[in-house]
Amino acid sequence: SSELTQDPAVSVALGQTVRITCQGDSLRSYYASWSQQRPGQAPVLVISGKNNRPSGIPDRFSGSSSGNTASLTITGAQAEDEADYFCNSRDSSGYRLVFGGGTKLTVL
Amino acid sequence: QVQLVESGGGVVQPGRSLRLSCAASGFTFSSYDLHWVRQAPGKGLEWVAVISHDGSNKYYSDSVKGRVTISRDNSKNTLYVQMNSLRGEDTAVYYCARDMGPGTTSLDYWGQGTLITVSS
Repeated sequence: SSELTQDPAVSVALGQTVRITCQGDSLRSYYASWSQQRPGQAPVLVISGKNNRPSGIPDRFSGSSSGNTASLTITGAQAEDEADYFCNSRDSSGYRLVFGGGTKLTVL
Repeated sequence: QVQLVESGGGVVQPGRSLRLSCAASGFTFSSYDLHWVRQAPGKGLEWVAVISHDGSNKYYSDSVKGRVTISRDNSKNTLYVQMNSLRGEDTAVYYCARDMGPGTTSLDYWGQGTLITVSS
C-alpha cells in the first residue's frame, strides 16, 4: 500500500515538545518529507531526507524514522508553529508522490 | 531566488477543460522534475502528476489519469497541466512544485497556487 497515515490533530503547550507521526509501507523504502502549511499559504518544506532542514527552518524542527513510521519533532513549540503538517513519500515508481492526510497542530 | 507562479485557474463548468501554467524562474528549469499537487477546500494535499526534467517521463494519480496531461516547455521555463472532463471533485487549489531531486522525496519550492472551481 502507498498510503500514509497521520493523526488528524495534535496539541502542545507553548514551549513544550511535540511529535507528529506518519505511518506507511513506503517509509520502509523512502524517507518521509515534512511540509508546514499555515492557513491561506502554500506548503513550505521543513524536513527532507533523513533529517535535513532547508535554509531558514529553525533547528527546533527535526525528523526521524523507524521501520514504517516517520516522525517530525518540534522541540520548544512556538505560537508560529501552529499549522497543518503533511508528510509525503514516494511510491514504488520512484516518481509518484503520496501524501499523508495532514496533522493540524494547535499550540496552547 | 526560486519562484514558481501558477496561472490559469477560474470557474469552469463540469465537463469543460482548462489549462494551468506555472512560470518558473531563479533556477535551471530543465534540470528539475516538476509536480502538480492540489488541495480541495478544507482538505489535505493530493498529488496529481509529475514530469521528468526532460519531459520523457510522466506519471499521474489514479484520480486524474486519462483526463489530465502534464507537459513542459524548457525553452520557456514553463510547466503546464491540461485538465479535461472536469468534475466537481476537481475543485481545488492547484500548486506546482519543484522536486528536490533523486534520492529525496521532497518538494523544496512551491508556487502560491491557482484555484479551479468546477461548477455549473
